[in-house]
Amino acid sequence: GAVVSQHPSWVICKSGTSVKIECRSLDFQATTMFWYRQFPKQSLMLMATSNEGSKATYEQGVEKDKFLINHASLTLSTLTVTSAHPEDSSFYICSAHDPGPRGNQPQHFGDGTRLSIL
Amino acid sequence: DAKTTQPPSMDCAEGRAANLPCNHSTISGNEYVYWYRQIHSQGPQYIIHGLKNNETNEMASLIITEDRKSSTLILPHATLRDTAVYYCIVRGQGFQKLVFGTGTRLLVSP
Repeated sequence: GAVVSQHPSWVICKSGTSVKIECRSLDFQATTMFWYRQFPKQSLMLMATSNEGSKATYEQGVEKDKFLINHASLTLSTLTVTSAHPEDSSFYICSAHDPGPRGNQPQHFGDGTRLSIL
Repeated sequence: DAKTTQPPSMDCAEGRAANLPCNHSTISGNEYVYWYRQIHSQGPQYIIHGLKNNETNEMASLIITEDRKSSTLILPHATLRDTAVYYCIVRGQGFQKLVFGTGTRLLVSP
């Protein structure tokens, strides 16, 4: 089945540094990928929609200059958390849409990246 | 996208069927019902989806009422590994985003 790989699985870094998270679709081409954030004991919250070859679409309240998204190829989207601070510590999850022959194919998710900012 | 309502938690004995309900009374004609689950500290896992007919795969069965206002996910023989949060999501066709609600926390016990 469709596989989405996310890297790294966890990262710890100092406040003020930037962190890049990669999301790859391994066996299909994804023109659209999504980035979510999940705080402890809460549900997934959509941050942005990543579109190959064009600008990402951010959800209301998500700072686009803080969370930089690049979708330069059909199999790779990256999320960069710039100048990260402790409040950015969270579980970041990506998903990719397998286009398939019909428009109702499911999204497949990566295993998430646990980001801890000290 | 239509909103869904699920019970916050359910318990099930190992080996028994787990029936997880979902209400989506405002679903529109071209919207599908998707089910995902999230095991602790992992990304969501796709389970099944359907439009109006009942669906079955190797993981579960999906029963959608005739008026499409509710559905039930059935895990026929629950195992301890099925303990997870189960999300019912309604979504239209195309590359549309998934909006997650609070889901149902299913606890399968020995």
